[in-house]
Amino acid sequence: QVQLQESGPGLVKPSQTLSLICSVSGDSMSRASSYWSWIRQPAGKGLEWIGRIYNTGSTNYNPSLKSRVTISVDTSKNQFSLKLRSVTAADTAVYYCARVRHFYDSGGDYQDDAFDIWGQGTIVTVSS
Amino acid sequence: DIQMTQSPSSLSASVGDRVTITCRASQPIIRYLNWYQQKLGTAPKLLIYAASNLQSGVPSRFSGGGSGTDFTLTISSLQPEDFATYYCQQSSSSPWTFGQGTKVEIK
Repeated sequence: QVQLQESGPGLVKPSQTLSLICSVSGDSMSRASSYWSWIRQPAGKGLEWIGRIYNTGSTNYNPSLKSRVTISVDTSKNQFSLKLRSVTAADTAVYYCARVRHFYDSGGDYQDDAFDIWGQGTIVTVSS
Repeated sequence: DIQMTQSPSSLSASVGDRVTITCRASQPIIRYLNWYQQKLGTAPKLLIYAASNLQSGVPSRFSGGGSGTDFTLTISSLQPEDFATYYCQQSSSSPWTFGQGTKVEIK
């Protein structure tokens, strides 16, 4: 059974760097059939995709956060991490890590990518 | 960015009702459309991928349809455990984006 678990400080001061780790169990991060992502959700609001990372280390980020975000992977530890620099109160949210899976039909044709496994989420508050 | 607009934003329904939620993309996304269910205080759960494919373990009362820019999520007979917020999400182009959510409440 694949499980993801976020960890990191729950309180970060404004202008500092938010750092979170997602630990993956039950799956190898080296597999090519999936990759890994961070998503956040401010209290009472919708979901915002932050970025994704492949097992090769290749990344894609949401342009709205790109200048402040770094996602990295350590396949030997089966972990990936999020760093968000220069945080403000607007970065206060629940942060989720998720596995992104490639889906194929019965004939082997590619269908879609989707977040199929999520961590439980961790609340990060930006406040002095 | 591709904007995803869900309607309605909320609805009230009774157990046993048929419920349909609509998601519209600001540009064509073929069938790169996923649906998630989120219950209060928990992480979202994948229900439907590629517009109409039921994720493993999801009850068959859930179904998805559509292509291009207009998509639907239907619950054929609403059950007590289905009261939650539902989100659509496009994976056609980066940045991936979500709809604003549809909250399904008990009537």
